[in-house]
Amino acid sequence: IAGITQAPTSQILAAGRRMTLRCTQDMRHNAMYWYRQDLGLGLRLIHYSNTAGTTGKGEVPDGYSVSRANTDDFPLTLASAVPSQTSVYFCASSDRDGYGYTFGSGTRLTVV
Amino acid sequence: KQEVTQIPAALSVPEGENLVLNCSFTDSAIYNLQWFRQDPGKGLTSLLLIQSSQREQTSGRLNASLDKSSGRSTLYIAASQPGDSATYLCAAPNQAGTALIFGKGTTLSVSS
Repeated sequence: IAGITQAPTSQILAAGRRMTLRCTQDMRHNAMYWYRQDLGLGLRLIHYSNTAGTTGKGEVPDGYSVSRANTDDFPLTLASAVPSQTSVYFCASSDRDGYGYTFGSGTRLTVV
Repeated sequence: KQEVTQIPAALSVPEGENLVLNCSFTDSAIYNLQWFRQDPGKGLTSLLLIQSSQREQTSGRLNASLDKSSGRSTLYIAASQPGDSATYLCAAPNQAGTALIFGKGTTLSVSS
């Protein structure tokens, strides 16, 4: 089934630990995105990548890093997790012009 | 900086009622506007995309309109059903055109 796969689906993480959220798409979309969703704040863009090999910062990039080594994968890394990074993280992809926006099912991360 | 606002934040209606959800955006130099649906605990699903050259787009009982000059879009749902209960999010491209910026959504509850 075409779409986006995110892993893990949920995670409890100790503060200070390093964590990588995985995202894979099989639609050959050029662009990929990471958003976080928090109650009362909505969806906020963390990082994006318009094509393999390039990445850019979104609204809330601090404490997160991404890489785009190939078209299909776009991992999000928390170098040293803090409680304020407790959130639901969504990966998305689209074609070059922003059409066909498709979301994964999300990763629920709790930092304690 | 693109900002997207949605009103109301929540709406409860009886089954069969027609309703309108509102979205406003600050940067009218957009090339499209999109509406999404999110069910509890799930990712987002694309409903409608309106290109900047269009004034409206229809899919079944859903009709979305776009007025770039006033920075507004509306989502009209005809003959609402309990299955329409979900959160509806409006999204517009950021100023760089690199990603979508989302409103906080309108949570709709349709009672039978």
